[in-house]
Amino acid sequence: GESVGLHLPTLSVQEGDNSIINCAYSNSASDYFIWYKQESGKGPQFIIDIRSNMDKRQGQRVTVLLNKTVKHLSLQIAATQPGDSAVYFCADPPNSNSGYALNFGKGTSLLVTP
Amino acid sequence: AAGVIQSPRHLIKEKRETATLKCYPIPRHDTVYWYQQGPGQDPQFLISFYEKMQSDKGSIPDRFSAQQFSDYHSELNMSSLELGDSALYFCASRTTGGKEEQYFGPGTRLTVT
Repeated sequence: GESVGLHLPTLSVQEGDNSIINCAYSNSASDYFIWYKQESGKGPQFIIDIRSNMDKRQGQRVTVLLNKTVKHLSLQIAATQPGDSAVYFCADPPNSNSGYALNFGKGTSLLVTP
Repeated sequence: AAGVIQSPRHLIKEKRETATLKCYPIPRHDTVYWYQQGPGQDPQFLISFYEKMQSDKGSIPDRFSAQQFSDYHSELNMSSLELGDSALYFCASRTTGGKEEQYFGPGTRLTVT
């Protein structure tokens, strides 16, 4: 079936470095993507979203890039901090008819070392 | 700001028992989603409700049922529990017509022994 997935299961970065987390999707009809952050023992927390009519969207210290040609998106975190340590998921709601139920990809665990 | 409330936060049950998980969405949110997250897994969508009606169904076992009440809170009923049902169960809510963003609760950790 259609899937949203991540290239790497874990990523270790030093504090202050930039982090890049990648995600591939297979449904070419997907038109909306969301990145969630999940800290240990907590529910997923919205970070940033992007629609398919955009290539890039910036937030506070985060940037999401979307490459529709290769069906790939990435989350860039600038000046990574210890508080950024968490599991990051990309997700897409298949379509509005599904009530926007989220299809999560496999998470990437980000570990920030001092 | 008010967030999604889930109760209980932790629940221990034995095989073949039943369990009921509760979710109280953010005020004025009319849509509720249930997700199951096994150890080291990504969240899997179970079921959702909009205005007290089931709006979508995911990988919810037949042993599970859910409903949304007039005050918009939702309950997930789980029967004939199996060891494999041990997981984190998240509820999320949003308001239809608003942003697609779903707000997640803290989850209920169910352990089946």
